[in-house]
Parts: sequence; C-alpha cells; structure tokens
Amino acid sequence: SQELEQSPQSLIVQEGKNLTINCTSSKTLYGLYWYKQKYGEGLIFLMMLQKGGEEKSHEKITAKLDEKKQQSSLHITASQPSHAGIYLCGAGPFTGNQFYFGTGTSLTVIP
Amino acid sequence: DAMVIQNPRYQVTQFGKPVTLSCSQTLNHNVMYWYQQKSSQAPKLLFHYYDKDFNNEADTPDNFQSRRPNTSFCFLDIRSPGLGDAAMYLCATSRDRDRVYEQYFGPGTRLTVT
Repeated sequence: SQELEQSPQSLIVQEGKNLTINCTSSKTLYGLYWYKQKYGEGLIFLMMLQKGGEEKSHEKITAKLDEKKQQSSLHITASQPSHAGIYLCGAGPFTGNQFYFGTGTSLTVIP
Repeated sequence: DAMVIQNPRYQVTQFGKPVTLSCSQTLNHNVMYWYQQKSSQAPKLLFHYYDKDFNNEADTPDNFQSRRPNTSFCFLDIRSPGLGDAAMYLCATSRDRDRVYEQYFGPGTRLTVT
C-alpha cells in the first residue's frame, strides 16, 4: 500500500514566523493535494500539484512538488493565528484505494 | 455558495440504533465519497459512487451502506452503530475520477454513539 508520511507531526510557532511542512511518499505521486482542517470541521482544499517541479502559491501559502514527484512541501510565510489547524496531504487520483491521506500536521500559531 | 452540504452537523445515536447521514452537492459532480475520520487520524475512505456505480473499499464493514438516489444526494447508513463507529464522517465530491481533479469536502457530521 502507498503511504504518505508527514513531518513534523505537530508544530508550534510564534506569529510572524515562517514554517514548512513536508509530505513524503515512497512511490511516484500521480497527484498531490494539500488540505487544511480546523479542529472538528471538514477539509478545506488548498492546492493541487500534478507536475514534477510544480509550485503554486495562494496568499501566504506555497506548495511545491519535487521533480521526482515523491515529496511535497507546504511553506507558510509570516504565519498568523488564522493559519492554525491540521494540514493534510493527500495523493490521488481518487479511485478506490488509490487515494491516501497523510497522517497530518497540527499547527499552532502563538499570537 | 454552499457546495457540499452535510446534515446534520452533529448526530447522537444509541448503540445498535440505525442512523442515516446526509450529503448533498450543488456542483453536479459525478463522484461522491464518504470518509470516516476518527480522532487524531487521517480520513479513511469508506466507499464512493461514480455516477450510479457503487464502489466499496475492501475493508469497509458491512455495517456501513450507502445510497445515491440522484446526482445531488448521497446517504450513509449505519445499520447497527457500535461505540467504535463514533467519528467524524466526511462527504466529498469530485468532477470525475481516475485523473487529478480537485476534491471538495463538506463540513462533516460528528457522530456520537451512546
């Protein structure tokens, strides 16, 4: 089975600091998704990466997929309390058991 | 603007009492998914519908069933909930499958079993 490992498992940062979350697969990823989940709520789609070397940004969040399509990173610049939550990476396509979620990274931003 | 709606947001049921969770979508997507997410764990896919075609994950218990009467609605039926079924249940949709499409999630229904 394909597994996605996320690191770190949890992260506590001071407001304004930059941070990076990593998602690693032992196999080549067909598509890589990043989601954010606030505690007790549903998942919010952040970004989707498909091509090796692809990089996407939305506001202060940047996601990259490496050339080998086995590792992705999510970088937050100048973190804010609103960034707090659980970040999940997922690998698709969404066909039966071909889709997996990573274990998640819990982010706390201290004002 | 709501795209994937789940009702109710919170559901309490008794041990062994059948319960149905509801999901509706305004996106006209072909695929609808049900995930189970237990505390501090990643979501786990239970099954999905590709149009009217039902696809069950191999390790999804028989206790869990689903219905999709039309494109917009999909239901999750738990025939005899056990204490271990307490979890957040997430519904999601995507335009298609087998390719990389954005997946939209609903807010989830938190199920408590007493």
